[in-house]
Amino acid sequence: DTGVSQDPRHKITKRGQNVTFRCDPISEHNRLYWYRQTLGQGPEFLTYFQNEAQLEKSRLLSDRFSAERPKGSFSTLEIQRTEQGDSAMYLCASSLEAWKGEKLFFGSGTQLSVL
Amino acid sequence: EDQVTQSPEALRLQEGESSSLNCSYTVSGLRGLFWYRQDPGKGPEFLFTLYSAGEEKEKERLKATLTKKESFLHITAPKPEDSATYLCAVQALGAGSYQLTFGKGTKLSVIP
Repeated sequence: DTGVSQDPRHKITKRGQNVTFRCDPISEHNRLYWYRQTLGQGPEFLTYFQNEAQLEKSRLLSDRFSAERPKGSFSTLEIQRTEQGDSAMYLCASSLEAWKGEKLFFGSGTQLSVL
Repeated sequence: EDQVTQSPEALRLQEGESSSLNCSYTVSGLRGLFWYRQDPGKGPEFLFTLYSAGEEKEKERLKATLTKKESFLHITAPKPEDSATYLCAVQALGAGSYQLTFGKGTKLSVIP
């Protein structure tokens, strides 16, 4: 169990540029989540995959955000035309399907700074 | 809409000084309440899941309890390495409800 891996750890970009983050979940986990966290706040849900299917997406998520999980393995999160308000820590988490609640394992996140 | 409120926002304790963190929640139906620990620059680390009122879980110096409206994380004789932000989250019942709703956390500092 090598844990959830995220790349890059830090990303600095200029407003209006596109950025893409990668997440490699724990190998046997079929569920994958993206969360966003700003300073002093708890993580905020963005989207959820079960295998390769995107089953839930936050109502608050702008259409500039898109996520994929091809073949149910790694996942990418792309932000198009970045804005300063997109600056945050982007967290990926994975879990095994469980009928009673979700025990999420989080990666260390990608810290995005939009200048 | 599910809501989680944690108090206090920050807590400073002397080493060995026991205390409790509070998590108040509103949810249409509770699938589970979760406690996580987060160190600076890291992702949250799972501590406990509680499912029903009256349930308790323990791990080393930490003990989590649950009522119908709130949860407490009791810290007994804390050590400096317990310093971290402690996050509470809820997951609602219902088909297709996969997301966790987090509180803002309590930042705990344990002074030697």
